Amino acid sequence: QSALTQPRSVSGSPGQSVTISCTGTSSDVGGYNYVSWYQQHPDKAPKLMIYDVSKRPSGVPDRFSGSKSGNTASLTISGLQAEDEADYYCCSYAGSYFWVFGGGTKLTVL
Amino acid sequence: EVQLVQSGAEVKKPGESLKISCKGSGYRFTNYWIGWVRQMPGKGLEWMGIIYPGDSDTRYSPSFQGQVTISADKSISTAYLQWSSLKASDTAMYYCARRGYCSTGSCPNWFDPWGQGTLVTVSS
Repeated sequence: QSALTQPRSVSGSPGQSVTISCTGTSSDVGGYNYVSWYQQHPDKAPKLMIYDVSKRPSGVPDRFSGSKSGNTASLTISGLQAEDEADYYCCSYAGSYFWVFGGGTKLTVL
Repeated sequence: EVQLVQSGAEVKKPGESLKISCKGSGYRFTNYWIGWVRQMPGKGLEWMGIIYPGDSDTRYSPSFQGQVTISADKSISTAYLQWSSLKASDTAMYYCARRGYCSTGSCPNWFDPWGQGTLVTVSS
């Protein structure tokens, strides 16, 4: 099972919007509505930001949103803030108690 | 507060054995799957496997099957990840994470919260 494909880096200015893509296959992203997104600041543990493609856990700002089309999921962050600068990982359930992560995207807030 | 607290950093030599831990608190430990994730230096997250402490049902990623052992002691609300013979390539940060609550016929496929991570360094 290969890792999901994410851009290595994206950037945006404060207040702007950015979108991070996550491309898999019909065996993972395309086959299940179980895509989640995790934010990881340097030397910190990952934090759940989006689950089940587009749902936000309590406490996550509504600036974060998720979507999916076919084999590609996306995370959009609107109204960028300096604190959003971090690595972002998508994750998809792939069946039979197996999950696959993306390679990670480094978000830089200019 | 729901928490997963992992054991401290380890420095080991190749060939040595190791068992790291992940202690859950603030919830009924036996009712939630616990997963393990590897992050090699400067790299991304990799799924290793998962255990249900209630009955020790354990599943492994094919990439890690036979390389590590996942276990749990529900009496002390602790999950474990162990190696019998470490290699330099096992050097990484290891995270445990709790799967969402499984109700009858439905299991979430997201993980929250995560432990703080255990850094394992294997070097001669």
